[in-house]
Amino acid sequence: KAGVTQTPRYLIKTRGQQVTLSCSPISGHRSVSWYQQTPGQGLQFLFEYFSETQRNKGNFPGRFSGRQFSNSRSEMNVSTLELGDSALYLCASSFQVNYGYTFGSGTRLTVV
Amino acid sequence: GQQLNQSPQSMFIQEGEDVSMNCTSSSIFNTWLWYKQDPGEGPVLLIALYKAGELTSNGRLTAQFGITRKDSFLNISASIPSDVGIYFCAGQLEGSFGNEKLTFGTGTRLTIIP
Repeated sequence: KAGVTQTPRYLIKTRGQQVTLSCSPISGHRSVSWYQQTPGQGLQFLFEYFSETQRNKGNFPGRFSGRQFSNSRSEMNVSTLELGDSALYLCASSFQVNYGYTFGSGTRLTVV
Repeated sequence: GQQLNQSPQSMFIQEGEDVSMNCTSSSIFNTWLWYKQDPGEGPVLLIALYKAGELTSNGRLTAQFGITRKDSFLNISASIPSDVGIYFCAGQLEGSFGNEKLTFGTGTRLTIIP
């Protein structure tokens, strides 16, 4: 059974640019969550989608947005990139009744 | 953002030793999870705890959900080289839509000294 797939694995962007990250959940999982991991702040929740609807949102500025498609795949977008947005962005999927989220390998974003 | 208090921050042990780490929160949780993260990878779920007082094992790993619902611990017995990595606890509430977001601990970095 394929795991959670995130693309791309690595990305380098310039300040002010925007970026889109992609996540394909485990087949059958309808919940997709996004987390940001940095050395200073650790793992922080960004948002969660279920059946194309955002159910939950963390404390991040409006530059961070996401969406989920009908096939449960999800994308997150960060506009007007700042140096502090450099981080490992992790996607996790879960079947509704399964309490354990399965994480992907992440996308390492570097903003220069 | 909120992080749970996890201790110790790092551990240096010899192969074969037992390891113990814990996680505390000022808030209660309905579920406690323990994850391990290797360099360049996402966290991998080790153990999930769903009830206060619950004690669960997964091979050499044992974890407990505190009675107050505000803490949890993880023990690793007879450590081996592949246990090296960063361990995270995570607390989860159940809301109106089902399972809510994970709140993660600050992590415990485990290193095995040759």
